Amino acid sequence: ILNVEQSPQSLHVQEGDSTNFTCSFPSSNFYALHWYRWETAKSPEALFVMTLNGDEKKKGRISATLNTKEGYSYLYIKGSQPEDSATYLCAFLEGGSYIPTFGRGTSLIVHP
Amino acid sequence: GAVVSQHPSRVICKSGTSVKIECRSLDFQATTMFWYRQFPKQSLMLMATSNEGSKATYEQGVEKDKFLINHASLTLSTLTVTSAHPEDSSFYICSAIRQVGNEQFFGPGTRLTVL
Repeated sequence: ILNVEQSPQSLHVQEGDSTNFTCSFPSSNFYALHWYRWETAKSPEALFVMTLNGDEKKKGRISATLNTKEGYSYLYIKGSQPEDSATYLCAFLEGGSYIPTFGRGTSLIVHP
Repeated sequence: GAVVSQHPSRVICKSGTSVKIECRSLDFQATTMFWYRQFPKQSLMLMATSNEGSKATYEQGVEKDKFLINHASLTLSTLTVTSAHPEDSSFYICSAIRQVGNEQFFGPGTRLTVL
């Protein structure tokens, strides 16, 4: 069983704050790490696919970094807005498998 | 972007009945589809991997006779919850892997309530 951990489990921030959270995963046999944004009653929306150590990807105010040697990825949100409120999931894929292992998610609530 | 649909989006049924949920990739072919279940306040739990033209691969602890999966074509997989019980009430979501780019796209989910 692969251990994919996300922290914190939940996060409350004020509008305008910048925030970040972590996904940790096995550091061996890495293939890819996916980040998803999941709003209640909707399907998860793909944010990033990270494949190379040192990868840094950005989409608007959201960015992510990857460290495969130590087994972690950070997701950053700059200037949080209430519409950023969602659960952010990471999913780890190990080499040779196409089956993702999901973390439990970080629930972000941005207060106006 | 690629679209995956699920039908129905919501179903309420009586205990003992069977419920079929369809997952379709609308604009791409998906040789592999996944079925997930979300327990309250938890993340997605993979139930099974559905491969077109072959038997589904079930995760440990998932009853294959209870959750029947059929991947009849490159664009359709179905999950049938047989003899549903209240404890089967959950949010079921499918995803499909697009061969080009190997990306995963999720369906909108099905909320099942068993009375």
